[in-house]
Amino acid sequence: AQTVTQSQPEMSVQEAETVTLSCTYDTSESDYYLFWYKQPPSRQMILVIRQEAYKQQNATENRFSVNFQKAAKSFSLKISDSQLGDAAMYFCAYSPGVTTDSWGKFQFGAGTQVVVTP
Amino acid sequence: DAGVTQSPTHLIKTRGQQVTLRCSPKSGHDTVSWYQQALGQGPQFIFQYYEEEERQRGNFPDRFSGHQFPNYSSELNVNALLLGDSALYLCASSPRTGREETQYFGPGTRLLVL
Repeated sequence: AQTVTQSQPEMSVQEAETVTLSCTYDTSESDYYLFWYKQPPSRQMILVIRQEAYKQQNATENRFSVNFQKAAKSFSLKISDSQLGDAAMYFCAYSPGVTTDSWGKFQFGAGTQVVVTP
Repeated sequence: DAGVTQSPTHLIKTRGQQVTLRCSPKSGHDTVSWYQQALGQGPQFIFQYYEEEERQRGNFPDRFSGHQFPNYSSELNVNALLLGDSALYLCASSPRTGREETQYFGPGTRLLVL
């Protein structure tokens, strides 16, 4: 069974600074996807960034980038130039790929609360 | 382009009752997944529906059941409610075709069981 671990319950960052959230996962599959979702107090889960396991290049979306280390099964998220609006709970998620029996069965970590201070 | 919608937004029930939650997927999506998110925890996968059938299921008892309609909308039913069923219930949709894996979430339904 796949597991997703986020070891940082909370991270604090000042505006305009950079923060990195860690995530590790365990799987025996080679076909899978990894995601970071953001959940603000409004509860809506919003996709931040997505990474295909078969791609070596790290995904980037504006101020958000990932460091995908496949051999180490690590998938960290870096938020650059942090803004007050970045304050939220961030979840790392794993999805088996289309070639697996568990396709579509997302596994989420416990989340990391990001606090942004002015 | 309408995103994923869920109803109701909040619900209060008592132990032993039954509840039905509803979800309409994002336009162009045909697959619906349901998650339970207890307070302070990450979402837990309940099941996924595609072509009106349950395709995947997580570790939830049979009290949790679902349905998908021809228009791709979906319902989550929970029977014999327990206090521990109090949670945020999230619906997510995705397109099944191709290799698109991303799931897009609705705002959730907050269920409180007294």
